Amino acid sequence: KAGVTQTPRYLIKTRGQQVTLSCSPISGHRSVSWYQQTPGQGLQFLFEYFSETQRNKGNFPGRFSGRQFSNSRSEMNVSTLELGDSALYLCASSWGTSGSFGNEQFFGPGTRLTVL
Amino acid sequence: AQKITQTQPGMFVQEKEAVTLDCTYDTSDQSYGLFWYKQPSSGEMIFLIYQGSYDEQNATEGRYSLNFQKARKSANLVISASQLGDSAMYFCAMRESGAGSYQLTFGKGTKLSVIP
Repeated sequence: KAGVTQTPRYLIKTRGQQVTLSCSPISGHRSVSWYQQTPGQGLQFLFEYFSETQRNKGNFPGRFSGRQFSNSRSEMNVSTLELGDSALYLCASSWGTSGSFGNEQFFGPGTRLTVL
Repeated sequence: AQKITQTQPGMFVQEKEAVTLDCTYDTSDQSYGLFWYKQPSSGEMIFLIYQGSYDEQNATEGRYSLNFQKARKSANLVISASQLGDSAMYFCAMRESGAGSYQLTFGKGTKLSVIP
């Protein structure tokens, strides 16, 4: 069974540009969550999508947005990039059902974004 | 207030020895889940172990066990018989009840180095 895939793995952009990152969850998983990881702030929750609907959102500016498609694949977009957006962006997938809290999230390898 | 506190930024352990990584948490929810993840230098987050707030027994997964002390709000990870491949960042995380969200709140992490 294929794991969570994220593309691209590495990205270099300049300030002011926009970027789109993609995440394909494990087959059958309907929930996709995005996290930003930086040395200073650590791992921070961006948003979660379930069945094409945003179910929860972290404390990030409106420049960060996302969406989920009918096949559960998700994209996140960052507009007007700032130097501080340089980070590892991790995507995680889950079944998404409101069952046991033990339904762990399976993480992808991440996209490392560098903003120059 | 920090929801997840990991007080050990870095730890060293001799190969084949056991090591305990500390984690304390703060929540007013009665129902919550606690997770430990391993992050090697490659960046991918690897799920290790889960403990539910209502679980009577401490969770174990192979060489990993979780020392759950609910009254003290601690969820320490114990790795037995450390191996060189255990060298990585370790993150404690919590999922709280509410809205079926899969949001995880992470601690700052502990960098474990296994010495031959």
